[in-house]
Amino acid sequence: SQELEQSPQSLIVQEGKNLTINCTSSKTLYGLYWYKQKYGEGLIFLMMLQKGGEEKSHEKITAKLDEKKQQSSLHITASQPSHAGIYLCGAAGSARQLTFGSGTQLTVLP
Amino acid sequence: DGGITQSPKYLFRKEGQNVTLSCEQNLNHDAMYWYRQDPGQGLRLIYYSQIVNDFQKGDIAEGYSVSREKKESFPLTVTSAQKNPTAFYLCASTPVGHTTEAFFGQGTRLTVV
Repeated sequence: SQELEQSPQSLIVQEGKNLTINCTSSKTLYGLYWYKQKYGEGLIFLMMLQKGGEEKSHEKITAKLDEKKQQSSLHITASQPSHAGIYLCGAAGSARQLTFGSGTQLTVLP
Repeated sequence: DGGITQSPKYLFRKEGQNVTLSCEQNLNHDAMYWYRQDPGQGLRLIYYSQIVNDFQKGDIAEGYSVSREKKESFPLTVTSAQKNPTAFYLCASTPVGHTTEAFFGQGTRLTVV
């Protein structure tokens, strides 16, 4: 079965700083999803990557999938308190079911 | 507005009791999923269904049961056989055959008392 490893597990940054979250897969990724979650709430979709070398951006968040399709990164530029939450990467299986990493807890200090 | 509705938001269960979590979607999605989330961990797949009257076990199906009698509904029953049911449960749905993201409900927090 596919396993996803996320790092770091938690991250505390000062407002305005840049940060990167990594997601590494034990197998080739055929669909990599990034979600954000506020504690005790559902998941909010951020971005989906499918092609090797693909990069997508939305506002101050950029996600990349490496050429070998086994590693993805999520980069936040000039972080804000609104970016705080849990970031989860997920890999799609044949039935569109998702296997998730353990998550990265992001705290942004004002 | 289209979306996924989970109810209740909070649920308390006595040991030895079965309890059913509701998940309804009006997105006309074919596939539905149940995930469990424990503190500090990612989500783990319990059951999923790609079509009405059919469903498959996920990674942690023991102690759970589901039904899919209608396209819009995918209830999850946590049985007394589930040894550690206290967790946050999330339901999701996707359209089959499309490379779009999964849509998630707001979750149900189940606590065994």
